[in-house]
Parts: sequence; structure tokens; C-alpha cells
Amino acid sequence: GAVVSQHPSRVICKSGTSVKIECRSLDFQATTMFWYRQFPKQSLMLMATSNEGSKATYEQGVEKDKFLINHASLTLSTLTVTSAHPEDSSFYICSARVQGRAGELFFGEGSRLTVL
Amino acid sequence: QKEVEQNSGPLSVPEGAIASLNCTYSDRGSQSFFWYRQYSGKSPELIMSIYSNGDKEDGRFTAQLNKASQYVSLLIRDSQPSDSATYLCAGYTGRRALTFGSGTRLQVQP
Repeated sequence: GAVVSQHPSRVICKSGTSVKIECRSLDFQATTMFWYRQFPKQSLMLMATSNEGSKATYEQGVEKDKFLINHASLTLSTLTVTSAHPEDSSFYICSARVQGRAGELFFGEGSRLTVL
Repeated sequence: QKEVEQNSGPLSVPEGAIASLNCTYSDRGSQSFFWYRQYSGKSPELIMSIYSNGDKEDGRFTAQLNKASQYVSLLIRDSQPSDSATYLCAGYTGRRALTFGSGTRLQVQP
């Protein structure tokens, strides 16, 4: 149980385009999902908390208009990187908590974004 | 002061030895702690969770929590080359979201 699936695993795009990353909880319902970003040789940095049916909560310094988060159902959250630039190239990882598992986070496979 | 701190390593141990990974945290009110393993280019994988003072064992892994000293550790017995990875310590440090340390890179030498 507690499988989180993320797609796509790798994406290369041109500067100025938008990229959508999907995160699904496959065998449980997730009212809250978390989006992290990880640059090479650095730790995971929380970008935003995605709440089903309501607006996402963004961490300080994360542009909400650039990183659009939609959590339209209990099993799907999406992150859209709008007008991507090379400095947005990173490893984006979503995660979710399972009710009753005392705060354990389960991660998707991650999406490596390369902006040319 | 970072909320969760780890030595970045690398920590190098010979195969079969015990690897000891340490983590300290700043929020005395933190209750829940987790160890994740991350292979290069992959997402983190949960290894252990610990919520109360003392030791918790699971196979070759033992997590230790000392709330008075505000540290968490992970022991890996009979280390294998396949254990070579970055180990991330994480905790709920007064926030609803999990905060991660910078990770310790472990190298197990065959």
C-alpha cells in the first residue's frame, strides 16, 4: 500500500514553455500532498502544500504564479511550471501522507525537469 | 540554525561494519522523526520512523531517539555495498510539513 505515482519522470522543454507534472495516490486517498524540489547534491526543499478542493499553501520565496498547483481530487495533484527558465531545471518530487500512518510521507518517483 | 542538521559526509565504512548516522534538531517540541534513503537520481524511500525515546529496530536498521539531547541516529548493521546512498533525516519541527536535513552520503566499501 501507500503508492504514489508521478508522471512524467523526465521532461525537457524550451525556455518559456509550461510543463505539467502529475502526482497520483494509487491505493489511498490523499487530502494533502506536498511538492518538493531538489537541486543537485542538495536536500529536499518544500515548495508548497497541496490541499484537495482548496488553494495550495506556498513556502516563502516560491512564486505561486509560476508554480501552479491544482488538487482537484483526492488522488491527483498537479504542478505546472509556467514560463519555465533554465534556473527552474531541477528534480521535482511529490509526496503524500497516509491517514493513520503517523505522519509518514510517501514519495512519488520524481520528475527531472530540464529547461533548455 | 537549521531545523534539522546532518553531517554531509561522505561516511565510508567497510562491508560488514556498522554505519552510524546522526542527526540533530532544533525544535524541542518535535515528536516524529524519519529516516529516508535516497539513491542517486531517485526519490527518497522511507526506512524507519521513530516517535518515542529509545531504540527501534527493524532488521539491520536501528533508529535511536533522544529527545532530551535532541538527536536522532540510524545504525546500519552488517553494512552492504547496496546500502551506499544518501540518508535523509526528517522531522516535523513545529510545522505541518516534514523538514529534511541535508543528508549524509554513506559509502560501503566492498
